[in-house]
Parts: sequence; C-alpha cells; structure tokens
Amino acid sequence: DVKVTQSSRYLVKRTGEKVFLECVQDMDHENMFWYRQDPGLGLRLIYFSYDVKMKEKGDIPEGYSVSREKKERFSLILESASTNQTSMYLCASRSNQPQHFGDGTRLSIL
Amino acid sequence: EDQVTQSPEALRLQEGESSSLNCSYTVSGLRGLFWYRQDPGKGPEFLFTLYSAGEEKEKERLKATLTKKESFLHITAPKPEDSATYLCAVTNSGGYQKVTFGTGTKLQVIP
Repeated sequence: DVKVTQSSRYLVKRTGEKVFLECVQDMDHENMFWYRQDPGLGLRLIYFSYDVKMKEKGDIPEGYSVSREKKERFSLILESASTNQTSMYLCASRSNQPQHFGDGTRLSIL
Repeated sequence: EDQVTQSPEALRLQEGESSSLNCSYTVSGLRGLFWYRQDPGKGPEFLFTLYSAGEEKEKERLKATLTKKESFLHITAPKPEDSATYLCAVTNSGGYQKVTFGTGTKLQVIP
C-alpha cells in the first residue's frame, strides 16, 4: 500500500512566523502535490513537483513556497504566516493516477 | 476551466436506506473520474477510477457509474460505518493531468 506521511497532524503558529510542513512518500512516486482544504471550497492546489528540484505553481501559490531536494520528500513553506492561511493542508503523491493522500496537517495561525 | 459539482451537499440516511450521490462535471478531455472517501480529520482515501461513459465499478456496498456528463455513487443498504464525506474529482488530458475536485457530499447513516 502507498504510504504518504505528513510530519504533524496539528500545528499552531503565530502570524509572521516561517512555517515548514513536511511530507514523505514511500512508493518512489515522481509527482507530489500540496493542497489546502477549506469548508465550501474543496481542495485547492498550491504547488506540485514532477521531479527532484522541479516545482510548478498550482492555483493558489501566493504566500507559499516548496522544496523537493529528495524524491521521497516534499516540503511546503509558509514564508510569513498569516491568519488566512489557517487551514487543513494535504499532501499527495502519484506515479500515474490516482493520487494518494496523507492524513493532513491542521494548521492554525494565531 | 474544468468544473465538478457534487449534490447534495449533505445526506442523512437510515441504516439500510439505499441512495445515490451525484457528481456533475465539465472537463476538456476526460482522462479519468475519481471517487474518494474522507473521514473527519483524515486525508481522502481512494475508492474508484472511471475512464469512459458506461463504465461501472463496485466495492462492497458502493457502486460508481459514469456518463458523459455525470457520475453517480450508489450506496446500497448503507451501514453507519459508511458515514463520511465522499469526494469526486476529474483529470483532463492536459500535460500534467491536473485534478479538479468537487466540494463533496457529507453522508450520515443513522442506526
């Protein structure tokens, strides 16, 4: 079975902090994704990566950056956290479809 | 732009009361339609992929069907453990196979 592991289930940070969310997959997938999920808005794609050191913007990249130094690891960075970035963050990976998701990080920015 | 609309937003069923969830979509070249189940506080769990109109997939009490404009997730004789949010998503034939998600149907099955 595919295993996508997100480092934290719950995280509380202050506005202006730099925040790192980590994701690791164990299936040697080329493609990895970061989404945020908000009530009534569904899943929205922030960034994705199709190879090591490669990244592409999704639909809502503003305020975020990503890093992929190793194939199995994809990090999401909030450069200067703001309250409107309070959300559920989901990491996914795939080779071909479908995507497989981690259990998410519930991030609160105070 | 690809779009996915799910209805109803919420559905409450008695245990054993069969029903269907709807997923209407518009996509530029359907490459696949996916159904996921999401439990509270968890990530989406993959259920089915459908590729072409007329295709059907089954798993336990769930059956997914696909037409050129919509997909249905039929739930037969549901049990309380089927309570979850069900997400529908489509991917197009574009370069990186972007996936567009609906906002989900929250299903509650009452004993």
